[in-house]
Amino acid sequence: QKEVEQNSGPLSVPEGAIASLNCTYSDRGSQSFFWYRQYSGKSPELIMFIYSNGDKEDGRFTAQLNKASQYVSLLIRDSQPSDSATYLCAVGNQFYFGTGTSLTVIP
Amino acid sequence: DAGVTQSPTHLIKTRGQQVTLRCSPISGHKSVSWYQQVLGQGPQFIFQYYEKEERGRGNFPDRFSARQFPNYSSELNVNALLLGDSALYLCASSLWGTNTEAFFGQGTRLTVV
Repeated sequence: QKEVEQNSGPLSVPEGAIASLNCTYSDRGSQSFFWYRQYSGKSPELIMFIYSNGDKEDGRFTAQLNKASQYVSLLIRDSQPSDSATYLCAVGNQFYFGTGTSLTVIP
Repeated sequence: DAGVTQSPTHLIKTRGQQVTLRCSPISGHKSVSWYQQVLGQGPQFIFQYYEKEERGRGNFPDRFSARQFPNYSSELNVNALLLGDSALYLCASSLWGTNTEAFFGQGTRLTVV
């Protein structure tokens, strides 16, 4: 059974701070990793994907991947209240999802 | 440019009934995947289809079935509905079957009473 684990939170950060979201996975053969954001009652929307070890930056978002440690993270810089949502980590071609981390950005 | 569209958006069914959910992928996308999301949980993988062939199946009973049509749209069928089948059913489309980002439709909210 392929497992993806996330801290369910809730995680609260003040506006302008860095939010750090973490995800570990069990399938060592996984090659693709995705972060999705899901607002309450809405469907997931893609934020970033990462395939190689290291960091990948896109605007205020940075994904970090360490395959040896089976760990992927998402950093959100200059957090905004509009970033308040559940963040889902997805692993593999057929998207094994974690349970998501609820983030609240406090104005 | 149209995104992934799902129909219907909401559905109420009685235990024991059958339901069919529909999904139209983004134009040019050849892969469709189905997920079940229970409140408070992450989406759970049900099926993936690529070029009309099943490429993967999650840990769901045989009451769940799906198919993909020549135009790449897809249907998910659930027979003998149980109360526990109440969930948000999500369809995601992607360009290829592997190693590519997927985009989700708005989902179908199924309530079984």
